[in-house]
Amino acid sequence: EDKVVQSPLSLVVHEGDTVTLNCSYEVTNFRSLLWYKQEKKAPTFLFMLTSSGIEKKSGRLSSILDKKELFSILNITATQTGDSAVYLCAASNSGYALNFGKGTSLLVTP
Amino acid sequence: DAGVTQSPTHLIKTRGQHVTLRCSPISGHKSVSWYQQVLGQGPQFIFQYYEKEERGRGNFPDRFSARQFPNYSSELNVNALLLGDSALYLCASSLGGTDTQYFGPGTRLTVL
Repeated sequence: EDKVVQSPLSLVVHEGDTVTLNCSYEVTNFRSLLWYKQEKKAPTFLFMLTSSGIEKKSGRLSSILDKKELFSILNITATQTGDSAVYLCAASNSGYALNFGKGTSLLVTP
Repeated sequence: DAGVTQSPTHLIKTRGQHVTLRCSPISGHKSVSWYQQVLGQGPQFIFQYYEKEERGRGNFPDRFSARQFPNYSSELNVNALLLGDSALYLCASSLGGTDTQYFGPGTRLTVL
């Protein structure tokens, strides 16, 4: 059975801290790993990773995939209160169904 | 450009009733996927439609059905509602040939 596990499940940090969110996956015929940010309702797309070792960056956020060890990390530097959200990791095995983890709930305090 | 839109925003039903949820994809996108998200969990895949054909189905009972129209909008139908069907129902659209799915704001369904 396909499985995506995120850790930690919740995290509280102070503004300015750097955080690392983890995602491990066991997915048959893996194609890609996606990260989303969910604040209230709609998950917002952050990154899609298909190749090992190539870091993707967007502002203070970055992510990398390790296809040998079957995991990905999402880094957020200089955190702000607006980064408070649930971060979802999803693995695709066929191009259509996304298998999501439970998410990491991040709270950034002022 | 408009993103993915869903209607209604909220819905309250009683056990045994049926419900229809609607989704309009991003302009130019030909694929629509439906997910169910219960509190504290990640979204769970229900269906994907591409070019009006069902491409995939998750592990959901036959009470759940969907269809896609010629304009690529989609409906999700749930019959004989159970309390456990209470959840946020998310629609996502994609071009069809890529894995990047863009989500709508969801429909919050409460079954009493």
